Amino acid sequence: EVQLVESGGGLVQPGGSLRLSCAASGFTFSSYWMSWVRQAPGKGLEWVANIKQDGSEKYYVDSVKGRFTISRDNAKNSLYLQMNSLRAEDTAVYYCARAIYSGYEHPELYWGQGTLVTVSS
Amino acid sequence: AIRMTQSPSSFSASTGDRVTITCRASQGISSYLAWYQQKPGKAPKLLIYAASTLQSGVPSRFSGSGSGTDFTLTISCLQSEDFATYYCQQYYSYPLFFGGGTKVEIK
Repeated sequence: EVQLVESGGGLVQPGGSLRLSCAASGFTFSSYWMSWVRQAPGKGLEWVANIKQDGSEKYYVDSVKGRFTISRDNAKNSLYLQMNSLRAEDTAVYYCARAIYSGYEHPELYWGQGTLVTVSS
Repeated sequence: AIRMTQSPSSFSASTGDRVTITCRASQGISSYLAWYQQKPGKAPKLLIYAASTLQSGVPSRFSGSGSGTDFTLTISCLQSEDFATYYCQQYYSYPLFFGGGTKVEIK
């Protein structure tokens, strides 16, 4: 069974940093593109970033470029999102998601339960 | 960037109704479009990809159509478990964008 479990969310002050993790199991992690998608409270979905199987390609939404870094450790079956210079508008539930098929970038079929990041003083 | 516009943003319907949700891309995206269903407090669920391919396990009352800039999601006979918010997403080019969502409520 495919499982994605996010962790690392919490309350952080504006300008602070946070590192999210996503532990993957039930599939060959190194064969899939992985993504982060977020959802602000009461709002719609926003794609944040994704990363190729070997980490050689990464893409970001403009609003997080230069502040967020997506990475992965295939030996640990883990996906990460390093978030720096956090702003109030980054407050959201952050989902880790896996592409539908190995070799495909999108769409995202499997999703974690999400982890809440709150940016507030 | 290719933006997605969904309509309507919300509406009320009854069990058994046929409902259609539309999604328009700001530029042509061929058939690189997915539809998701989301219920409160839950992660999104993939319903349709490549504009019209039904994801395995999704009931056949769901269908998708369109290509280029105009797409539709149709639920042929609305069931109680279908009351949710629906999102389209283009994956033709980066950055990826979702539509604003369509909330289907009980009449």
